[in-house]
Amino acid sequence: DTAVSQTPKYLVTQMGNDKSIKCEQNLGHDTMYWYKQDSKKFLKIMFSYNNKELIINETVPNRFSPKSPDKAHLNLHINSLELGDSAVYFCASSPGQGYNTGELFFGEGSRLTVL
Amino acid sequence: KQEVTQIPAALSVPEGENLVLNCSFTDSAIYNLQWFRQDPGKGLTSLLLIQSSQREQTSGRLNASLDKSSGRSTLYIAASQPGDSATYLCAATPPDSWGKLQFGAGTQVVVTP
Repeated sequence: DTAVSQTPKYLVTQMGNDKSIKCEQNLGHDTMYWYKQDSKKFLKIMFSYNNKELIINETVPNRFSPKSPDKAHLNLHINSLELGDSAVYFCASSPGQGYNTGELFFGEGSRLTVL
Repeated sequence: KQEVTQIPAALSVPEGENLVLNCSFTDSAIYNLQWFRQDPGKGLTSLLLIQSSQREQTSGRLNASLDKSSGRSTLYIAASQPGDSATYLCAATPPDSWGKLQFGAGTQVVVTP
């Protein structure tokens, strides 16, 4: 059973379109995240959610809107896609809360290509 | 602001040699440090998590040390195998974190048979 699963694995779309990525974890974790890995392979956090509540919004443009319907799911919707949004987006979860959230478990990533 | 550096960026060793991967961080006030492995086109797999109060963690052939005062962590992989070929990333958890890990750029490892 995949612990953190995200779909789709690949998205190719035109500038200006809207797209969504879904993420689910079956680990019973309270905290979920979206990370972005750019072309230089740097990973940066975008959002952090704990029990469906937004905790961190790391100065991400408001074209990006995360939604957590329950603590096992965290989806990412992106409006008006731009070329610079092309990246790999990773969902992750962890058991802890607060400042020491414990070990992070990552999904396999969703590679977004904006043409 | 916390900065995490991994040197070298790439490393190639023959099978059987021990691997030593370095990670340095600028702010010693961390809650933990985590090592990950990333295979091409795949997600990150957690290898070891060292809490700030610990000096090292071991799992099988892997051993990671943490020296907060000098801002360094080292991942040792004993008796490397071709299956160890991957990119290894370290990530430090700063005090103001909620999972806001600061990642290094990674060390790409190739183990040749």
